[in-house]
Amino acid sequence: KAGVTQTPRYLIKTRGQQVTLSCSPISGHRSVSWYQQTPGQGLQFLFEYFSETQRNKGNFPGRFSGRQFSNSRSEMNVSTLELGDSALYLCASSLGPGQVYEQYFGPGTRLTVT
Amino acid sequence: SQQGEEDPQALSIQEGENATMNCSYKTSINNLQWYRQNSGRGLVHLILIRSNEREKHSGRLRVTLDTSKKSSSLLITASRAADTASYFCATDWNNFGNEKLTFGTGTRLTIIP
Repeated sequence: KAGVTQTPRYLIKTRGQQVTLSCSPISGHRSVSWYQQTPGQGLQFLFEYFSETQRNKGNFPGRFSGRQFSNSRSEMNVSTLELGDSALYLCASSLGPGQVYEQYFGPGTRLTVT
Repeated sequence: SQQGEEDPQALSIQEGENATMNCSYKTSINNLQWYRQNSGRGLVHLILIRSNEREKHSGRLRVTLDTSKKSSSLLITASRAADTASYFCATDWNNFGNEKLTFGTGTRLTIIP
């Protein structure tokens, strides 16, 4: 089976712009979770989607949003980018729902905001 | 704040030695998972231990869980250079009816050839 794929792998944006990141889960996985990883805050949970519904959400401002499509692919969007949004954004899929299952992570998208 | 805290933050050992990392958490959990991350890449799942289990093995990995102390340990035996990575524990706990996986701060393991 193909693993979790994330596109793009690297991205450079300027403050105030918006960005959309994409995640394709492992075939058959219906749960997709997103995480933000920074040196200072570590791995922070953003949200989880299952069957196109957001099941859980972390403590991030409304500028961070996501969605899941009928084929389980997911996107996350960050509007009005700030310098502090520079991070590695990781997507993980699992059989789901919930996060009691093993998470399969993608390679991440490295976002740099200048 | 994060649920899990790993100790030590960094560990360097000679190849062939055993490496032990500890994880402490704050609230009751459903299960605890350990992940490995090579520099700047995605995480790889290593092992999952349920709250009613005390010990679990997978190859050179041994995980213990003490729910009374709210702590877990990951032992890597006969370490190899390829084990150099960051190791994270993740706890799955109920957040008002929704399970939530929260990662610790990680232990940076360096194996010296």
